[in-house]
Amino acid sequence: KNQVEQSPQSLIILEGKNCTLQCNYTVSPFSNLRWYKQDTGRGPVSLTIMTFSENTKSNGRYTATLDADTKQSSLHITASQLSDSASYICVVTTDSWGKLQFGAGTQVVVTP
Amino acid sequence: DSGVTQTPKHLITATGQRVTLRCSPRSGDLSVYWYQQSLDQGLQFLIQYYNGEERAKGNILERFSAQQFPDLHSELNLSSLELGDSALYFCASSVGRGRGEKLFFGSGTQLSVL
Repeated sequence: KNQVEQSPQSLIILEGKNCTLQCNYTVSPFSNLRWYKQDTGRGPVSLTIMTFSENTKSNGRYTATLDADTKQSSLHITASQLSDSASYICVVTTDSWGKLQFGAGTQVVVTP
Repeated sequence: DSGVTQTPKHLITATGQRVTLRCSPRSGDLSVYWYQQSLDQGLQFLIQYYNGEERAKGNILERFSAQQFPDLHSELNLSSLELGDSALYFCASSVGRGRGEKLFFGSGTQLSVL
């Protein structure tokens, strides 16, 4: 069973609207949580990295939140643009040597 | 551009064959990671090298092997290829051993086994 679960699996939103993606994890011990954006056929690009002591981190129109107690994170996209169409991947790092556990991703499609 | 270079971009081969994928990390990065991404699957960690030495191993098959050379570039060798090995193979690099560091991914090598 994947230790990092993302929801929804896919999402279609209108340009200019906001959306929120969810990530639940069971990875333990926990070191940090990352959100990546992956365009089709391209490598993932880092959006945010948060340690357990950080509750929120922003990168432009992307805002990630983390609740280490409930082991939940969310990624909020504000005023979506067509270029936001991509897969968004939640990645949790364990304490051991920094092994990354990847979620399956949420496919976001922004339509005009 | 992440600064991580992967070649070739596409590779088409037949079952039973052997291929080599190449990765050049960002200048100054000592760690190289290999990941496999099958259709509709999340990224699966294969192996990590740090400064020429194997640091961590993930779900890498015995038919697969990798190495990191003194100039820090890395190669992933896939042998006795099967249809199920068809996937996108990503290389990533980071400055140090990886913990807490940002990983920079290459554009991937699309492997098709026919």
